[in-house]
Amino acid sequence: KDQVFQPSTVASSEGAVVEIFCNHSVSNAYNFFWYLHFPGCAPRLLVKGSKPSQQGRYNMTYERFSSSLLILQVREADAAVYYCACGVADKLIFGTGTRLQVFP
Amino acid sequence: NAGVTQTPKFRILKIGQSMTLQCAQDMNHNYMYWYRQDPGMGLKLIYYSVGAGITDKGEVPNGYNVSRSTTEDFPLRLELAAPSQTSVYFCASRKVQGGLNTEAFFGQGTRLTVV
Repeated sequence: KDQVFQPSTVASSEGAVVEIFCNHSVSNAYNFFWYLHFPGCAPRLLVKGSKPSQQGRYNMTYERFSSSLLILQVREADAAVYYCACGVADKLIFGTGTRLQVFP
Repeated sequence: NAGVTQTPKFRILKIGQSMTLQCAQDMNHNYMYWYRQDPGMGLKLIYYSVGAGITDKGEVPNGYNVSRSTTEDFPLRLELAAPSQTSVYFCASRKVQGGLNTEAFFGQGTRLTVV
């Protein structure tokens, strides 16, 4: 079965670099997408790719079956749910989401 | 551009009632998706469409129906609402031309409670 796996919770101190890991069992996945979701809002894309990528404070690592999202200089305002998704054929398969907790 | 618009934002249904969740996008995207979000379960794909007149089942299609008569609209129909359909529903769209590296754009969600 095609599945995407993420830790349920990650905690970090303000100012640190936090890493959220994702791996999958999806056959023929071609890409990773990392989304940010605040409750009551639309999930929005942070970074995507089939190679290491960076968008502002967000870095993405890439291996064929895994990816990590690194958030630099994490802030309390970054506390949210982060979704990893794999692109396969016409679909995007999402993980269960990782809740980031940020402590001062 | 409004992007992806979902209506209503909130709804309470009684068991056995039916309703349609509306989704419209004004970005001329050819692909559209419906996901449901349950606590600890992430986003599960219900149905998707790669163009007008074409729909396909996702991972959790039971109890739902969709249609795609226009490029802009992708309504999701619940015929006989059940408590297990209590969830937050997200519609998304993306432009796919040649490659599949494009991201999906999401609506703000519809919170549905079935009692």
